[in-house]
This record gives sequence, structure tokens and C-alpha cells, in this order.
Amino acid sequence: GEDVEQSLFLSVREGDSSVINCTYTDSSSTYLYWYKQEPGAGLQLLTYIFSNMDMKQDQRLTVLLNKKDKHLSLRIADTQTGDSAIYFCAGSGGGFKTIFGAGTRLFVKA
Amino acid sequence: DAMVIQNPRYQVTQFGKPVTLSCSQTLNHNVMYWYQQKSSQAPKLLFHYYDKDFNNEADTPDNFQSRRPNTSFCFLDIRSPGLGDAAMYLCATSSIQGAAFDEQFFGPGTRLTVL
Repeated sequence: GEDVEQSLFLSVREGDSSVINCTYTDSSSTYLYWYKQEPGAGLQLLTYIFSNMDMKQDQRLTVLLNKKDKHLSLRIADTQTGDSAIYFCAGSGGGFKTIFGAGTRLFVKA
Repeated sequence: DAMVIQNPRYQVTQFGKPVTLSCSQTLNHNVMYWYQQKSSQAPKLLFHYYDKDFNNEADTPDNFQSRRPNTSFCFLDIRSPGLGDAAMYLCATSSIQGAAFDEQFFGPGTRLTVL
């Protein structure tokens, strides 16, 4: 079945760049998403990329998509302590089903 | 602020004792979802409502039921909770009707403990 995999933890120093990686199996995923979850809050859409794009940049965020390898990454430039959260990779191919990864917990050390 | 609200945030129940989790939304979205998320695992879709149409995922146990009496409210009923049902339950909404781009708006979740 469809699967989305991502590493569970990432630790970076404040000011460094963070790169969170994700691989997915469903080649019919039309949209790929990054959701952010802060403590005590629900998942919130951070950014997304359409499957015919290679890259999307939005301020400090850069999403890279390698469709051939089914690999998605999220780069956060100048990582701040406020970026500490869980980041979920997800994909959907139409219909109502979005497949989520287990989330990567980002720790930012001051 | 428009939002998705889940009550209670923490729920403790006994093995086999029915429990209901609730979700409400002020976004006026036509789709509502229930996910189960166990520790360090991906949120797993249990079912969704598209307006009043109920759609169950094939692997959702019969022990889990849902009701949507109106646009704003959706309930998750667990008829006979087992220890394996202890998890975080997430409610989400979306307004796009099954299109590929489907931003979902999540509530903060209800953490269910089964004793």
C-alpha cells in the first residue's frame, strides 16, 4: 500500500539550516505537503508542492522534489528555536485520502 | 478565529466502556475526517464525512463508528475500547471536494487512555 517514510528526529543549532527528508511510495501523489505540529496544537499546513514541480521556495522554506526517486525534502534556513516542532510529510493523489508520514521531531539548540 | 475544536483534550475510559469524542468546526467545511495516531506513528485515517455521506476506510475496525448530525459537529464513538485503542484522535476538516489539493485543518486532538 501507500507509504510515507521520514526519520523521527533531527537536531540542529540555532542559525543553521535544517533539512528534513521524506520518501513516498505512491507515484500517483499529485500534491505533496509539509505539515507542522507545535506542542498542544493540531497539524498545520506549512507548504506544499505540485508533483510537476522540482522546487518551491517560500521565505525561509525550500521544498525539493525528486519525483524519479520519490524523495521530498524541506529545508529551513536560519533555523530558530521557534521552529522546534514535529514536521509531517504527506501526499495525496486526489480523492479524500492523504497519506501522512510519522513525523520528524526537530530540536533546535540555542 | 475560525477553528477546529476537539473535546475533551484528554479522555480516560475503562476497557470495554463506550466512549465518545467530539469535534466541532467554525470553518463551515463540508468534509470532516477522523484520524488515529499512535505514538511515533503516522496519523491513520479512520473515516471521513463528505457532507452527510459517510466513508469508512477498509481497515477501520467495526468498533469505531461516527456521527455527523450537522455541518459543524462530528463524533467518534468507540463502542468497546480495548487497550490497543489508546491513542491520539485527530479531527480535521477540508473544503475542497475531493480534489487533489486538499489542505486539511486539524484540531489539537484528544488523547485517549484505556485502563
